[in-house]
Amino acid sequence: GESVGLHLPTLSVQEGDNSIINCAYSNSASDYFIWYKQESGKGPQFIIDIRSNMDKRQGQRVTVLLNKTVKHLSLQIAATQPGDSAVYFCANNAGNMLTFGGGTRLMVKP
Amino acid sequence: DTEVTQTPKHLVMGMTNKKSLKCEQHMGHRAMYWYKQKAKKPPELMFVYSYEKLSINESVPSRFSPECPNSSLLNLHLHALQPEDSALYLCASSPGHSSYEQYFGPGTRLTVT
Repeated sequence: GESVGLHLPTLSVQEGDNSIINCAYSNSASDYFIWYKQESGKGPQFIIDIRSNMDKRQGQRVTVLLNKTVKHLSLQIAATQPGDSAVYFCANNAGNMLTFGGGTRLMVKP
Repeated sequence: DTEVTQTPKHLVMGMTNKKSLKCEQHMGHRAMYWYKQKAKKPPELMFVYSYEKLSINESVPSRFSPECPNSSLLNLHLHALQPEDSALYLCASSPGHSSYEQYFGPGTRLTVT
């Protein structure tokens, strides 16, 4: 997602529900995509990655989906927990560097 | 050891001060990165070191001076900063320059007064 001014896009979900965080990218030459979780006051933490020769990859409670046709990436979190509250960034490679998306804040309601 | 460590956690400095940020990793990674992150924004790449040589400088002002003394250490020397340089400074490392999985440290929260 893209941030506008000082406001991050926010997703608010009930504890126990599934969360879906979306990200659009523009570089059609990208072949590597990664999701990071950043909690307040901490550095980004690796969640899951996917290469362009795949369209789905699963981890523990997380799934990343890649749609290269529309240049769209999503992160699905199953059974969202309060500890999942954070800002989530997608990133993709541009040459030898990572380009980060604007971030989405996930808020989990008890 | 799968951590990237950064010191100090917080730093307040005046515009005439000289200070340094430090980053260390013992994962045997050969690429190290400095990023700047403003509030509610994604990290912005500043510098990349690959095999202890500076490979990318994203047009960063000369008041920021990186240094890589060895493959485990990365420093960022600060001099004559401006208040707008206040931000979270993140260090990251990856196995090699073409390895995109970057591991981030906790950051140094810098305030320039």
